[in-house]
Parts: sequence; C-alpha cells; structure tokens
Amino acid sequence: DQQVKQNSPSLSVQEGRISILNCDYTNSMFDYFLWYKKYPAEGPTFLISISSIKDKNEDGRFTVFLNKSAKHLSLHIVPSQPGDSAVYFCAASFQGAQKLVFGQGTRLTINP
Amino acid sequence: GAVVSQHPSWVICKSGTSVKIECRSLDFQATTMFWYRQFPKQSLMLMATSNEGSKATYEQGVEKDKFLINHASLTLSTLTVTSAHPEDSSFYICSAHAGTGTGYTFGSGTRLTVV
Repeated sequence: DQQVKQNSPSLSVQEGRISILNCDYTNSMFDYFLWYKKYPAEGPTFLISISSIKDKNEDGRFTVFLNKSAKHLSLHIVPSQPGDSAVYFCAASFQGAQKLVFGQGTRLTINP
Repeated sequence: GAVVSQHPSWVICKSGTSVKIECRSLDFQATTMFWYRQFPKQSLMLMATSNEGSKATYEQGVEKDKFLINHASLTLSTLTVTSAHPEDSSFYICSAHAGTGTGYTFGSGTRLTVV
C-alpha cells in the first residue's frame, strides 16, 4: 500500500523556468511533510518541510504547497538551475511517529 | 547543522558472509535512528527503527534475524546483514532525528554488493 505517491517518475525543465514536482498521499493522519533531494550513491538531503497547519512554506527558490483537502503537495523550484538536477522525494510523517514514509521519487533534469 | 556519518560507503562481500554498517550522529545524540533500503529507481523503504538501549522495531516483511540492529549508545547504531545473499544487494541508508524543528538527517548511504 503506497501511502505516499509521486506519479511522475521523471521531469525535464529548461534552465530558468519553474519546476513543479507533485506528491499525493492517502493517509489523512499525516501532519508533516518534507521534500528531499538525492544524488546517486548519496543519502537524501533535506530541502524544505511543511506542517499540516500551513498551506505554504517558502525558502529561497523552493516553495512547498499543501492542499489538505486534496491530500496533495507540490514543490516549486524557481528559477530552475542545472544543479537542481537530481531525484526528489517527498516524505510524510504523523505526530508521535518519527519514521518517514517516502514517495517513489521524481527524477528532475534541468536542461541548459 | 546535524551530521550523520555512515560507514562504509560501499562494500562487496561474498555470499554467506556478514557485513556491518555503522551509523553515527556526530554532533547530537540520537535516541532513535532509522534504517532504510533503496532498490534502483525505487523509493526508500523503512526497514527498522533503532532504539538506544532497547530492541529495534522492524517493519513488516523485514527479517529481524537477518538484519541485526544494535543501538548501544546515543551516537551509534549498527546494521549487520547476516549470511548475505545477492538479493540483499542494495543501497542502505540510516537517518536520525536531531530534535524538534531540525528534521531528519541522513547518512551518505552504503552500497552493498553481494557476489
């Protein structure tokens, strides 16, 4: 049972444009969501997170939007840079449980 | 920021042997650490939650006798893959939670290849 889903395995965006990565979840108990960036043969690196009490969180070029009614979150990267090329994972957790549930990941490629 | 060190970064072993992977929190204490496994082009799947001073909690389908976890101190958790087989070849990653507001920090991962 895949509780966190990233339905797009890959995404290609031109440098300077906006990258939008999507994530859906099924468990309404999730109240904390995170995005991680991962390069091959490395551990994930934390990017940005959002609590369920918010619908938007922004950090520099990265913005995460949360739509609780749709059980959907998205990560916006603007402007996209070549160094953003990586696999992006969304993850979710719920209060009292430290463990994370990850989506399948989306491979983002930024084209010059 | 919080740093988690994982060692080794890669290892090749023969079938039937055991391999130990270490995960250390360098600048914080972690009462709980997590062990994940990732197959190529797939998600990170939680294997077990490592608790300092007590038994690990394994996810459904993970063999606790095969994947031995020891969390003997507040800064070190180890995962031992016992009697390794080629199907155990995977990318293993640990993580720890450094405290409220700091999120989860991941180690750099260990690429295990069983031949």
